[in-house]
Amino acid sequence: DQQVKQNSPSLSVQEGRISILNCDYTNSMFDYFLWYKKYPAEGPTFLISISSIKDKNEDGRFTVFLNKSAKHLSLHIVPSQPGDSAVYFCAASVSWGAQKLVFGQGTRLTINP
Amino acid sequence: EAGVAQSPRYKIIEKRQSVAFWCNPISGHATLYWYQQILGQGPKLLIQFQNNGVVDDSQLPKDRFSAERLKGVDSTLKIQPAKLEDSAVYLCASSPDWGQGEAGNTIYFGEGSWLTVV
Repeated sequence: DQQVKQNSPSLSVQEGRISILNCDYTNSMFDYFLWYKKYPAEGPTFLISISSIKDKNEDGRFTVFLNKSAKHLSLHIVPSQPGDSAVYFCAASVSWGAQKLVFGQGTRLTINP
Repeated sequence: EAGVAQSPRYKIIEKRQSVAFWCNPISGHATLYWYQQILGQGPKLLIQFQNNGVVDDSQLPKDRFSAERLKGVDSTLKIQPAKLEDSAVYLCASSPDWGQGEAGNTIYFGEGSWLTVV
């Protein structure tokens, strides 16, 4: 069963515009959510996270929004830059447990100049 | 601060052969993970260690995969015998002790070991 889903395998955005990546989850026990960015031939790198006690967390150009009632989170990147082209993974965990992260399938973001 | 180190980076083996991957986590990180990432999919947890004890190995194919973490630091993941469907990137990751607030929930990945089984 896919507990974390990223339904868009790819997304193409013009440089300077906003990129919005979406993620849905089914397990209501998840209370900590992370976004990872992955370049080819490299491991995923941590980008931004949010606890379920918040509905928004911002770090520079990156903002994550959490809608607990809809079991949905999104990552906004504004303005998008060519270096943002990568695969983005959404992940979720139960923070009081053994920190087991469950990942989505990933969304390949391409920023066009 | 040095990151998670893995070796080898790339390995090609024939089916039914064996392979071993090594991981050195970030210094001081008590928790170590091995993930398998098949092309086009997200990483899937194979095994999680807390110090040198296994916390979760529910998705580890124990008939062919084994992992150990001696002395609570370095870890090795072994596959024997390998199958074609084991072709994937094997990612090692580490995190600080859980229970340390949000920082304890962030997992840091190595660059991965790419396995091709032919």
